[in-house]
Amino acid sequence: KQEVTQIPAALSVPEGENLVLNCSFTDSAIYNLQWFRQDPGKGLTSLLLIQSSQREQTSGRLNASLDKSSGRSTLYIAASQPGDSATYLCVQETSGSRLTFGEGTQLTVNP
Amino acid sequence: NAGVMQNPRHLVRRRGQEARLRCSPVKGHSHVYWYRQLPEEGLKFMVYLQKENIIDESGMPKERFSAEFPKEGPSILRIQQVVRGDSAAYFCASSLHVQETQYFGPGTRLLVL
Repeated sequence: KQEVTQIPAALSVPEGENLVLNCSFTDSAIYNLQWFRQDPGKGLTSLLLIQSSQREQTSGRLNASLDKSSGRSTLYIAASQPGDSATYLCVQETSGSRLTFGEGTQLTVNP
Repeated sequence: NAGVMQNPRHLVRRRGQEARLRCSPVKGHSHVYWYRQLPEEGLKFMVYLQKENIIDESGMPKERFSAEFPKEGPSILRIQQVVRGDSAAYFCASSLHVQETQYFGPGTRLLVL
């Protein structure tokens, strides 16, 4: 059974802090790993996608890494801002286009 | 360039009624996926369709739920005889080709009274 686990479940930090969100997955046959952002009552916004052949991707203040051998991914957010407050979802795609979602890390950045 | 559109955004049904959720994929996308997010839980895969065909429905409850993606028109997720446990947010995603980035719609929030 494929499982994606995210730690911590919730995180509250002061504005300006750098932070790391962790994700672990059990299926080694990973096709890609994706990080999404979900705002309350809204849809999902794709942040970063890492192909299985890649080790990391960067976009602005965000950096995501992928370690297939250990089954882990991290999302690093630099210089956090109140607008970063949201739920961050780690999503694994295996063959067949099926996505398996973690339960998310709820981030609150306090001004 | 319209993204994935879902309607209605909010749907209220009484127990025993039918719910029909619509999803219009990104123009040109022929792969559609439905996911369900129960309260306080993560998103779970339900079904994957490619025009007129169900490719993978392993995540869909065996009874009362059905999905279609006709040659013309939106994909429909149909829930018959809804129960309170069906209350959830239902998200649709689409992709241009298999195993390419899936683009998500805003979701339909179903409330069963």
